[in-house]
Formats: sequence, C-alpha cells, structure tokens
Amino acid sequence: RKEVEQDPGPFNVPEGATVAFNCTYSNSASQSFFWYRQDCRKEPKLLMSVYSSGNEDGRFTAQLNRASQYISLLIRDSKLSDSATYLCVVNGGSQGNLIFGKGTKLSVKP
Amino acid sequence: SQTIHQWPATLVQPVGSPLSLECTVEGTSNPNLYWYRQAAGRGLQLLFYSVGIGQISSEVPQNLSASRPQDRQFILSSKKLLLSDSGFYLCAWSHSGNYEQYFGPGTRLTVT
Repeated sequence: RKEVEQDPGPFNVPEGATVAFNCTYSNSASQSFFWYRQDCRKEPKLLMSVYSSGNEDGRFTAQLNRASQYISLLIRDSKLSDSATYLCVVNGGSQGNLIFGKGTKLSVKP
Repeated sequence: SQTIHQWPATLVQPVGSPLSLECTVEGTSNPNLYWYRQAAGRGLQLLFYSVGIGQISSEVPQNLSASRPQDRQFILSSKKLLLSDSGFYLCAWSHSGNYEQYFGPGTRLTVT
C-alpha cells in the first residue's frame, strides 16, 4: 500500500460546483495532516491543516477519519481560480518529515 | 514575515557537469530546512533535511549532497550530474518542532 494515495483525476467541473477529494494514508501513527495546492509549474502552497474535529476555511472544508486513515477536502462554489493540483500531505517520517501524495488535478470550467 | 528564496529559477546543464543550487530563508531563526525533488508526473521526494548548521540527513542515496553553512542557507550540490537528476527542485522551511512546511519558488533543472 502506498504511503499516501490520492485519485489523480483530473476532475473537470463547472464553476459553482461542489467537488470532493479523498486521500488515504498508511501510517497509523501519523499525527499531522495537510492539504497543499500546487499550480502548474509552481511550488506547493499550504492550503489548510486538517484537524481531528474537521475544519473549515471559507469555501474549503477538510475532514479526518483516523479510524479509516482517510482525509477529505471539500470545495464549495468552485471558482476558475481553484484550478490546480491538490496535494494530500501526512507526517510519517522522523524529524517532522512530510509525505506527499501525487496530487489530484482540478480543472474548473466556465 | 518569513520569505524563502531559491536560485537559479531555471538551469540547463550537460551530463557530468557540477551543480550548486542555493536556498535562503529570511525572517526566522533556526528553521528546519528541506530539499525536495519533483520529477515530471511524480510526487515530491524528500532528498535532504537539516535541523541546524552542519546537520544534514539524507533520505535517498544518490549522487547529490547538501550543506548548511549558515543558519538560513541550504545548498544542494552534485559533482557530476546524471540525466535522471532532471526535475523541479524545491527548498522548504519549517519552524523547529512544527510540521507545516513552506516552499521556495523552485529551480527547474534539465540535464542534457
């Protein structure tokens, strides 16, 4: 089983749609979880941390299910500017090392 | 606020040539520093990390090396590049003891 698995997509959605990304991780000892966003040919940027109780930041909602080792990201009212690759990230190594999924590509169309 | 710089932005080098990529962080002290590589169509691979000056840990054996001569400076080097070294090299930093990492703009390396 890969350490962090994501559906690669692409997800092609119209503006205003709601889209959900899922991610599973293999290390049950992981304690920190994040979603990063990466635009084409750019560096990844931290979108949000994922907390056990779930958390929301505007149109973005992240949830964690430790029992199933599953993380999700929900984007409501999609904008054209949301088009990017979304990376699921989990800590799993020593010294705070992060393990990155390969990402899910989102394309929002007008 | 903290900022992270990398240079050069792009680089084209022949096989067998040396490499030196530089990363500097401003606005923080004693950060953890990281070098990643992202090959085309693949995820980020951690190459090296450092928790302090002169302290380097390698995650993947290869013909690359890293050094941290100053608190906020991290250098990635190679004596002889291979074709397989092509990729997008990203430097990142985090506060000591914190898992959130922040990335520099990256260097796109093409080995020909």
